[in-house]
Amino acid sequence: DGGITQSPKYLFRKEGQNVTLSCEQNLNHDAMYWYRQDPGQGLRLIYYSQIVNDFQKGDIAEGYSVSREKKESFPLTVTSAQKNPTAFYLCASNSGAVFNYGYTFGSGTRLTVV
Amino acid sequence: GENVEQHPSTLSVQEGDSAVIKCTYSDSASNYFPWYKQELGKGPQLIIDIRSNVGEKKDQRIAVTLNKTAKHFSLHITETQPEDSAVYFCAASMGRDDKIIFGKGTRLHILP
Repeated sequence: DGGITQSPKYLFRKEGQNVTLSCEQNLNHDAMYWYRQDPGQGLRLIYYSQIVNDFQKGDIAEGYSVSREKKESFPLTVTSAQKNPTAFYLCASNSGAVFNYGYTFGSGTRLTVV
Repeated sequence: GENVEQHPSTLSVQEGDSAVIKCTYSDSASNYFPWYKQELGKGPQLIIDIRSNVGEKKDQRIAVTLNKTAKHFSLHITETQPEDSAVYFCAASMGRDDKIIFGKGTRLHILP
């Protein structure tokens, strides 16, 4: 079955550590996105990529980094510069068609700072 | 850029009654309006969408209406059931660069 796989489901980070969240899709979608979700805040866009080897900052990119070396993969690194990283992180993809057909989301990674 | 406002933030309805969630958008160039349902601990799932050339769309117990002139759209759930309890997000897109702008969500509680 086609879909998006996020791993791990739960992740714990110590202060000052960088951690990387995995996102893999087998939908042959061109565009991929990372969102952060906090209670009462909705979905806030961190980074997005519309094509391999290219990505753009979203609304809250500070303290995060991404890469897009393969069409299937869009990992997100939460760096030590992100002061409040505890949140639920969602990865999404879509076909990249000009006439948008909506996102497919992964099941999320819950990151907690300990 | 586009801005999507959603209300109410929380909605409680008796099982079997109808629920309505309303959204407004700011950019008249938006042409695609999806709705997502998010259950606890899971990613959002697309439940219905509507494009700007259509005024209403139905799928069993859910329907979405779009008023382009007023720039608002609504989700209607009839004969609500316990499994409808979730957070619902509306969204809008202009289609030019594929970004979808989300509302802040409505937490729907179905009361027994």
